[in-house]
Formats: sequence, C-alpha cells, structure tokens
Amino acid sequence: DGGITQSPKYLFRKEGQNVTLSCEQNLNHDAMYWYRQDPGQGLRLIYYSQIVNDFQKGDIAEGYSVSREKKESFPLTVTSAQKNPTAFYLCASRNTGPNRELFFGEGSRLTVL
Amino acid sequence: AQKITQTQPGMFVQEKEAVTLDCTYDTSDPSYGLFWYKQPSSGEMIFLIYQGSYDQQNATEGRYSLNFQKARKSANLVISASQLGDSAMYFCAMREGGNTPLVFGKGTRLSVIA
Repeated sequence: DGGITQSPKYLFRKEGQNVTLSCEQNLNHDAMYWYRQDPGQGLRLIYYSQIVNDFQKGDIAEGYSVSREKKESFPLTVTSAQKNPTAFYLCASRNTGPNRELFFGEGSRLTVL
Repeated sequence: AQKITQTQPGMFVQEKEAVTLDCTYDTSDPSYGLFWYKQPSSGEMIFLIYQGSYDQQNATEGRYSLNFQKARKSANLVISASQLGDSAMYFCAMREGGNTPLVFGKGTRLSVIA
C-alpha cells in the first residue's frame, strides 16, 4: 500500500544527544514536510523540501537539520541545540499543485529525559 | 499575526446533531486554498475537505461541508449527523499561492456525546 512511514513511533533521548527521525514515502510525491506538534500549539513547520537535494527552513528550524538525498526519504535530525525537543513530530508529503492535500505519516513522539 | 484562527478550543455535540467548527484566516493573496484535517487520539492526520479561493460553491464531502464566506475570511467546517467516531481534534489550514507549505490553526477538540 502507498503511504508514509515514520520511525520510530516512540523515542526517548537523553539531553545532549542528537536523534534522527526517519520518514519514507512511496507515493512518488515531490514535496515533503516536517511539522512539530505541541499541546495547544497546532502544527508548526520545521523544514520542507520541494525537490531532491533542496530544502527550506520553516518557522521553527533552529536546532533541527534535514537532508533530501532521495525522493522517497526526508530524515529529520533533532540536535542537542534544540532547547525543548520533547514533542510529536509529523512528516507529510504531497504532489505539487495548489489544491493538493498533505498526506501524513503516523508521527513520532520524542521524549527527552 | 496569526494566519489561521480557531477560536473554539473545545466543543461538545450530541450524537446525531450537526456542529460547526469555526475558522478565520488572514491573507492578502487572492489565490489560496483552505483545508480541514481530523486528528484522532491515535495521532494521524486525516484530510477531510478542501476549498479554493476561486471556487464558487461551498465544498462538500459526505457529512462534511465547508461554509466559505470569502468577504468575512471564514471557512467553517460543518459536520452533520455527528457520530461518536467524530470525537477528535480538528485543524483548519491554509496554503497561499500555489506551492507554499500549509499553515495550521491551533485546532478545536470536538467531543461527541451519546
């Protein structure tokens, strides 16, 4: 089945450690996105990529990094510079076009101990 | 300034009744799209309905309809005949122009009561 796979679903990390969240899609979508969700905050954009080997910062990119070496994959690294990394992270993708909706993965919940 | 405002943090509705979830937006771009998503407690985001700024008619998808009032910059979601499975968070989102990322509101938590 076509879709977006995020892993791991749950992740615990000690302060000062980097962690990488995986996002893979087999929908042949050009654009991919990472959002962060905190209680009462809605979804906030971290990074997005509209084509392979290119990506742009979103509203809250500080402390995060991404790569887009393959069309199917858009991993997110949460670095030790991210001051408050405990959150629910959602990866999404879509085809280009103004009325194209985002398809989302099931999310990764990161807890920093 | 917030681009998407959802003023109802929580709503309750009786099963089989209709409910309206409010969404107002702010943009100066004449071309934009408005989206509604549902997020159950499991966390996945489910696309419900889309309305384009140039669409003449309100969008409908099954029990979901979008009450689009362009002059008021509002795009309220109407759920008819509520079901217990409709209990979830609901997010309104907007895309300005053709290819910019979606911007989301803070959401409304809907609880359907038997």
